[in-house]
Amino acid sequence: GAVVSQHPSWVICKSGTSVKIECRSLDFQATTMFWYRQFPKQSLMLMATSNEGSKATYEQGVEKDKFLINHASLTLSTLTVTSAHPEDSSFYICSASPLARETQYFGPGTRLLVL
Amino acid sequence: GIQVEQSPPDLILQEGANSTLRCNFSDSVNNLQWFHQNPWGQLINLFYIPSGTKQNGRLSATTVATERYSLLYISSSQTTDSGVYFCAVGRGGGADGLTFGKGTHLIIQP
Repeated sequence: GAVVSQHPSWVICKSGTSVKIECRSLDFQATTMFWYRQFPKQSLMLMATSNEGSKATYEQGVEKDKFLINHASLTLSTLTVTSAHPEDSSFYICSASPLARETQYFGPGTRLLVL
Repeated sequence: GIQVEQSPPDLILQEGANSTLRCNFSDSVNNLQWFHQNPWGQLINLFYIPSGTKQNGRLSATTVATERYSLLYISSSQTTDSGVYFCAVGRGGGADGLTFGKGTHLIIQP
């Protein structure tokens, strides 16, 4: 149990385009999901907290107009990278916790390459 | 925010050896998890251990919350244990995002 999926697993796009990444909890519901970013050979950095039915909370230094988050249901959160540029190229990972549990489970990640 | 330090940053061992990875954190936490990141980037949950001791096969972990550190033990290492091990902490259980350490890069040589 406690499986989180992400789609797509990798994406290559041209500079200036927008990219949407989906995060789904497959066998549990989650009122809160989290988005992280990992640059090569570095650690994971929390970008934002996605709250079902309300606005996302962004970490300091993360542009909310660049990274749009929608948490429309208890099993789906989406991250849209708007007007992507090469510096947005990274590994994006989401996580979620089953209701009333504390362990966070991570998706397999999405590799974004902006040319 | 909470600071998380992991040591050592790199560790190279022969197959069959034992290892201890350490995680120090700067403030009280309600969530502490250990992960293994495989070569494809997937984070594999090893332990949820904000306090106490747990064991799972060749792996075990201990967190001393009052002294703000956690240890991950790997016994009888196998080449498949290679990868990056992360410690991550949080204050609010499942409702708060995690702060990750920089990881320990473990290489197990045959």
